Amino acid sequence: AQSVTQLDSQVPVFEEAPVELRCNYSSSVSVYLFWYVQYPNQGLQLLLKYLSGSTLVKGINGFEAEFNKSQTSFHLRKPSVHISDTAEYFCAVVANSGGYQKVTFGTGTKLQVIP
Amino acid sequence: DAGITQSPRHKVTETGTPVTLRCHQTENHRYMYWYRQDPGHGLRLIHYSYGVKDTDKGEVSDGYSVSRSKTEDFLLTLESATSSQTSVYFCAIRPDIPPNQPQHFGDGTRLSIL
Repeated sequence: AQSVTQLDSQVPVFEEAPVELRCNYSSSVSVYLFWYVQYPNQGLQLLLKYLSGSTLVKGINGFEAEFNKSQTSFHLRKPSVHISDTAEYFCAVVANSGGYQKVTFGTGTKLQVIP
Repeated sequence: DAGITQSPRHKVTETGTPVTLRCHQTENHRYMYWYRQDPGHGLRLIHYSYGVKDTDKGEVSDGYSVSRSKTEDFLLTLESATSSQTSVYFCAIRPDIPPNQPQHFGDGTRLSIL
C-alpha cells in the first residue's frame, strides 16, 4: 500500500518570497513522484516528475523538488513566488502494478500569494 | 494540451436520474482514467481502462459504471444519481510507452445532483 501526506492544507506567502510545499509518502515498493498544479476551474497540470536519476528535479514555472529517499519526502520549492502561482498543488505517488499505474494523490495544498 | 475533452463541463440533475459523462482523447493512448475530486480527499480513482472493452474498478467505484467501445472515448455512467455523487469529475490519459509517465488531465465536469 502507498500513501501521500501533504501536511499543509493552505500556505500563505508574500509575493517574491520563497515557498516550500511539503509532501511525504510511504510505500513498500519503489515509487515515482509527481507534482501537479490546479488553477481554478481547470484540470491538473504536471509541474515536475521524478522517475530516476538526479534527486533534484526542475519543473515548469521555476519550481523544483528534491527526492529524499531516507526521509520519504518530495518537497516542492520556489525561490520567489508570483501572484500567478496562486493555485492548489497536489503531490502524487505512483507505483506500477503490471501495466496499471496506481496513483495516490495527496489532499492538496492551496498556495495563496499575497501582494 | 494533451488532447482531452470532457463533456459536458457542467451539469445539474436530480436524484435518481441517469447521467453519462464523456471523455474524448485524440492521443491514441491506451490508458484512460476517471477520478472524482472532493474537498479534503484529493483525487480518488473511480474506474480505469487499459484498452477497448477492458476496464476495471478503482477505489470508489460503487454507483458508477464505465464503457470503452473505441480507443478515443471513455464513458462514465451514474445509473441512478445520488446527492453523494455531487463532485467534480476528471478524466486522465496516459501513454504506455515509455513506462511510468504521468497522467494528463482534462478540464473536468462539475456535476451537481439535487
